[in-house]
Amino acid sequence: SQQGEEDPQALSIQEGENATMNCSYKTSINNLQWYRQNSGRGLVHLILIRSNEREKHSGRLRVTLDTSKKSSSLLITASRAADTASYFCATDAKGGTASKLTFGTGTRLQVTL
Amino acid sequence: NAGVTQTPKFQVLKTGQSMTLQCAQDMNHNSMYWYRQDPGMGLRLIYYSASEGTTDKGEVPNGYNVSRLNKREFSLRLESAAPSQTSVYFCASTPWSLAELTDTQYFGPGTRLTVL
Repeated sequence: SQQGEEDPQALSIQEGENATMNCSYKTSINNLQWYRQNSGRGLVHLILIRSNEREKHSGRLRVTLDTSKKSSSLLITASRAADTASYFCATDAKGGTASKLTFGTGTRLQVTL
Repeated sequence: NAGVTQTPKFQVLKTGQSMTLQCAQDMNHNSMYWYRQDPGMGLRLIYYSASEGTTDKGEVPNGYNVSRLNKREFSLRLESAAPSQTSVYFCASTPWSLAELTDTQYFGPGTRLTVL
């Protein structure tokens, strides 16, 4: 079953605007990651936030994590047409002796000129 | 570094045919994974190999087998393909270790498989 659920499923904005997408998950986690997928390509890692962190920045990306609500958000500031892609959150559940990520269903972002 | 490579890029099979999807990574990663991606479903884990010599089932293993040939290579086999296995298949790897718990995954470009 899917651990993460992204919201919204699709988002259309104009270049220069900010894009916010949300992820909810079900179980306790070691970390939460965000990935981007351009159409027809493999996923590319964007950012990782650990369960003991609340906010993290990387360039135009800002990720927040609220473990009490089991939710995360990804903010892309000053979006560009090149940001058009699908974005997935992925969680690594606590415990176990191997890394297994569970991916959400993704948010499709369209950035228009 | 080529990263994670997958072959073939595209494949069309008839129901009942068999095939092997190949995956290789040149990053000396310990763990490797096979996912399938269906429209609107995100990625689902088929099988994974935490380290050379070990393999384990993921969320959707039925109809598939895997082999971790060595540290670099991890293959996925469909013994008798079914239309329900039409999907895009991705291989991934990570340097994950219990000591570091750093499990960013690196993905290959995918294989588009159609089963008629």
